[in-house]
Amino acid sequence: AQRVTQPEKLLSVFKGAPVELKCNYSYSGSPELFWYVQYSRQRLQLLLRHISRESIKGFTADLNKGETSFHLKKPFAQEEDSAMYYCALKRGATNKLIFGTGTLLAVQP
Amino acid sequence: DTAVSQTPKYLVTQMGNDKSIKCEQNLGHDTMYWYKQDSKKFLKIMFSYNNKELIINETVPNRFSPKSPDKAHLNLHINSLELGDSAVYFCASSLTDSPLHFGNGTRLTVT
Repeated sequence: AQRVTQPEKLLSVFKGAPVELKCNYSYSGSPELFWYVQYSRQRLQLLLRHISRESIKGFTADLNKGETSFHLKKPFAQEEDSAMYYCALKRGATNKLIFGTGTLLAVQP
Repeated sequence: DTAVSQTPKYLVTQMGNDKSIKCEQNLGHDTMYWYKQDSKKFLKIMFSYNNKELIINETVPNRFSPKSPDKAHLNLHINSLELGDSAVYFCASSLTDSPLHFGNGTRLTVT
């Protein structure tokens, strides 16, 4: 069964500290993975997708097929990074996204 | 302003009532979705339409009925509302095989 696991419900760090939001997946096919972010009282929006291999707002994520992980990283957290982060797996050709349970990142001043 | 817009933003209603949430996108996308975010912030797909055709229908009570009059609109009608229906409902759209664009959400509270 396809599943996305985000083990941390809450991650609290200080400004300037490194951040790693964990995401593990289970999927029998070739996965396509995404990170979505939801800032307070705003819509869910795409942060990055693994096939783009880009860095957005200082965040990067590398797909590790051996460990079935797609962890989100940023070397120096900023207060404005505080938000809910969802890892998502695209299943098959239907464009259906399976979301993880989300991790709330709180960056303290 | 190009976007996915849904109305109303807030909806408070009593158990047993019937209500609708509307969604419109002007992004030229061919696929639209409804997602439900529960009180624990868990996001789950409910329905997806591609070119007005239902392509994803998850295990959702049949009190929930999506309607897509055209490619740019996907409305969600809910009959006989129950307390457990209280959630934030997100509409989204995409081109086939492209990332989703979400609306701002509709916070439904059933009392």
